[in-house]
Amino acid sequence: DQQVKQNSPSLSVQEGRISILNCDYTNSMFDYFLWYKKYPAEGPTFLISISSIKDKNEDGRFTVFLNKSAKHLSLHIVPSQPGDSAVYFCAASANYGQNFVFGPGTRLSVLP
Amino acid sequence: DGGITQSPKYLFRKEGQNVTLSCEQNLNHDAMYWYRQDPGQGLRLIYYSQIVNDFQKGDIAEGYSVSREKKESFPLTVTSAQKNPTAFYLCASSNPGLTGSEQYFGPGTRLTVT
Repeated sequence: DQQVKQNSPSLSVQEGRISILNCDYTNSMFDYFLWYKKYPAEGPTFLISISSIKDKNEDGRFTVFLNKSAKHLSLHIVPSQPGDSAVYFCAASANYGQNFVFGPGTRLSVLP
Repeated sequence: DGGITQSPKYLFRKEGQNVTLSCEQNLNHDAMYWYRQDPGQGLRLIYYSQIVNDFQKGDIAEGYSVSREKKESFPLTVTSAQKNPTAFYLCASSNPGLTGSEQYFGPGTRLTVT
């Protein structure tokens, strides 16, 4: 039973445009969410977080939106750059960061 | 220069042998974690430790063992009982708190068992 889903295995976007990566979850107890970026054969790098008391968090080109009623979060990257090409994982925790459940990832390709 | 180190980067073993993967952190984090990643899949939790001398099984602990004798170190042993040990193994650490905390990851160890 997959508690965190990323239904798009891959996404291609033109350089300079917006990338929108989606994540859905089933456990209503999740209260803290993270997005990670991962290059092949490397460890994931933390990008941005959001807690359930917020519906939006911004950090530079990255914005995460949380819709609790829909159990859905999304990561917006504006503008997209070729260096953003990587696999993006969302992760959710039900106890404020003690243990996370990871989604399967979405591979983003930013085309020049 | 704080961070998490995992060694070695690549590891090759024969079937039936136990192998231990190293994970060290100098971030002064209380919690440490081991994940496994298989092609096309997300990260799956093997074991985690919230404090020295204590650890808990994750979702896929069978065939693995860990120890947490020091705050900085959380080695993972892949035993011969693990049926599909070939994978990319990631170690992480964090300081969970009331306001939440992200996990920081090491560079990973790719284990190949033949």
